[in-house]
Amino acid sequence: QITLKESGPTVVKPTQTLTLTCTFSGFSLSTRGVGVGWIRQPPGKAPESLALIYWDDDKRYNSSLQSRLSITKDTSTNQVVLTMTNMDPVDTATYYCAHIWGDLTDPWGQGILVTVSS
Amino acid sequence: DIQMTQSPSSLSASVGDRVTITCRANQYIRNYLAWFQQKPGKAPKSLIYGASSLQSGVPSRFSGSGFGTDFALTISSLQPEDFATYYCQQYDTFPYTFGQGTKLEIK
Repeated sequence: QITLKESGPTVVKPTQTLTLTCTFSGFSLSTRGVGVGWIRQPPGKAPESLALIYWDDDKRYNSSLQSRLSITKDTSTNQVVLTMTNMDPVDTATYYCAHIWGDLTDPWGQGILVTVSS
Repeated sequence: DIQMTQSPSSLSASVGDRVTITCRANQYIRNYLAWFQQKPGKAPKSLIYGASSLQSGVPSRFSGSGFGTDFALTISSLQPEDFATYYCQQYDTFPYTFGQGTKLEIK
């Protein structure tokens, strides 16, 4: 059974850097074709893809946020870390990580609500 | 980025009804289209991938169709647990983009 869980701060101040960790089980990020993605969803709005990392360390970033994002993986601890710099109140959202394999983005973690407020 | 447009934005229907939600991409995306269901306070759940392939464990009353730029999700006979928000997502080109959502409510 594949599971993922997001962890990190639930409140950050404007201009701070957000670091979120996705800890997963049930699959290996060393397996060919496997990836982990980060998606966020502002309250009442549609999801937005942020970044993803594949088994071979291929990385993709949302071009509108690329200068602020960094994604890394640690296959020994089954974790993927997303860093987003210069946080702003508009970045308030639920942040999800998800397993990616082939055509599937499934399952997703439970999500973590991050509020940006001074 | 590829823009996905869903319609309608909201829909009222009754248990047993057949409903269809449409999704249009502003660029050709082959069949790289997925559908997700989201209930309040929960993460999205995969229903359909490859435009028409049913995810494991998803009831057969859900079906998907389309290719290129125009797609549809059909629920053949609504059940009480189907009232939720539905999103389409293209995964042809990153960033994978979502439609704005269709909220399916009980009439």
